Amino acid sequence: NAGVMQNPRHLVRRRGQEARLRCSPMKGHSHVYWYRQLPEEGLKFMVYLQKENIIDESGMPKERFSAEFPKEGPSILRIQQVVRGDSAAYFCASSPQRREAEETQYFGPGTRLLVL
Amino acid sequence: AQKVTQAQTEISVVEKEDVTLDCVYETRDTTYYLFWYKQPPSGELVFLIRRNSFDEQNEISGRYSWNFQKSTSSFNFTITASQVVDSAVYFCALSEARGGSQGNLIFGKGTKLSVKP
Repeated sequence: NAGVMQNPRHLVRRRGQEARLRCSPMKGHSHVYWYRQLPEEGLKFMVYLQKENIIDESGMPKERFSAEFPKEGPSILRIQQVVRGDSAAYFCASSPQRREAEETQYFGPGTRLLVL
Repeated sequence: AQKVTQAQTEISVVEKEDVTLDCVYETRDTTYYLFWYKQPPSGELVFLIRRNSFDEQNEISGRYSWNFQKSTSSFNFTITASQVVDSAVYFCALSEARGGSQGNLIFGKGTKLSVKP
């Protein structure tokens, strides 16, 4: 029974390129969250999605960042025109029910993005 | 405002020692949940425990135990007889039932635990 899958595990991009991070939630989970972990920091919420809907993107930078969770396929976090400050670990989590305080979010292994 | 503080940045112990990781939280919500996650060197985040604000009973799971005290807004984590495999970064997190961040996890900065043989 696979957990949350993320790929790639490591991604290197040059400044100005695009980064696409993919996340497949646990089987039976239809709610996905993206978090970012900057060096020496805890994780910070970015965006919460259900299938075909962005529910809460309050933690996502207004420019260059976008997320989607299509009806079929994984959730995608897209960063356009990356800058060095985007270098971080990006974690995806999923839960079976809609976002509630008591829901446990299960995390994937993360994607480490390095911008040169 | 909501906040989680893990004052211990790094802790180093020798195998078989007991170790306690501190977590202090701030919230105005009366209903909230507290979590601990483990991040081993391989990088993934492993869920350890969830506790709601109405249940102050301490919990024990094998060598792990958690002490929740609302009076001091703390949710501390103790590892008894530590082992090298316990070496990891441990994160405490808060989730509020109401407010703008409802359901989002608010993480502390983590405590890096090194257990030496």
